Amino acid sequence: QVQLQESGPGLVKPSETLSLTCSVSGYSISTGYYWGWIRQPPGKGLEWVGSIYGSGSTYYNPSLKSRVTISLDTSKNQFSLNLSSLTAADTAVYYCARGRPGTVGTSYPDYWGQGTLVTVSS
Amino acid sequence: DIQMTQSPSTLSASVGDRITITCRASQSITDWLAWYQQKPGKAPKLLIYKASGLEGGVPSRFSGSGSGTEFTLTISSLQPDDFATYYCQQYSTYLLTFGGGTKVEIK
Repeated sequence: QVQLQESGPGLVKPSETLSLTCSVSGYSISTGYYWGWIRQPPGKGLEWVGSIYGSGSTYYNPSLKSRVTISLDTSKNQFSLNLSSLTAADTAVYYCARGRPGTVGTSYPDYWGQGTLVTVSS
Repeated sequence: DIQMTQSPSTLSASVGDRITITCRASQSITDWLAWYQQKPGKAPKLLIYKASGLEGGVPSRFSGSGSGTEFTLTISSLQPDDFATYYCQQYSTYLLTFGGGTKVEIK
């Protein structure tokens, strides 16, 4: 059974950098799937942040690209999100997810973490 | 970006009703479309992939259809557990995008 669990701070100050980690169990992150982050502002819809393939290739939402970094730690079977220069607009529930491959470079999430609320406030 | 537009945004229905949710893409995505169900405070759950593929463990009352720019999610007989918000998602391009959601409420 594939399981994902997000961890990180629940409160971050404006202009700072958010760092979240997703711990994966039941599947090796270096094998054939995408690993990504999706966020959902309170009461709103879903926004894809970015993904990384098991080989290390990364794909980012252009609206966030200059601020986002996603990386893999295969030794710990974890992947991470760094989002810099935070503003209140980044307040959201952040989900990590495994992406099943679609066409080249694309995926659709099939397993999700429970989500973690990140609030950007001073 | 490929924009995904869902309609209606809210749907009121009764247990046993047949309901259909529509998702339109701003350009052709062939059949690279998934549907999710989300309940309050929970992560989305994958229902349908590649427009019409039923995810394992999902009841057969859920079905998806369509290709190109127009897609539908149908629930043949609404059950109490189905009251939730539903999202479509295209994966035709690396910039994955979701529809705005359709909330299915009890009539």
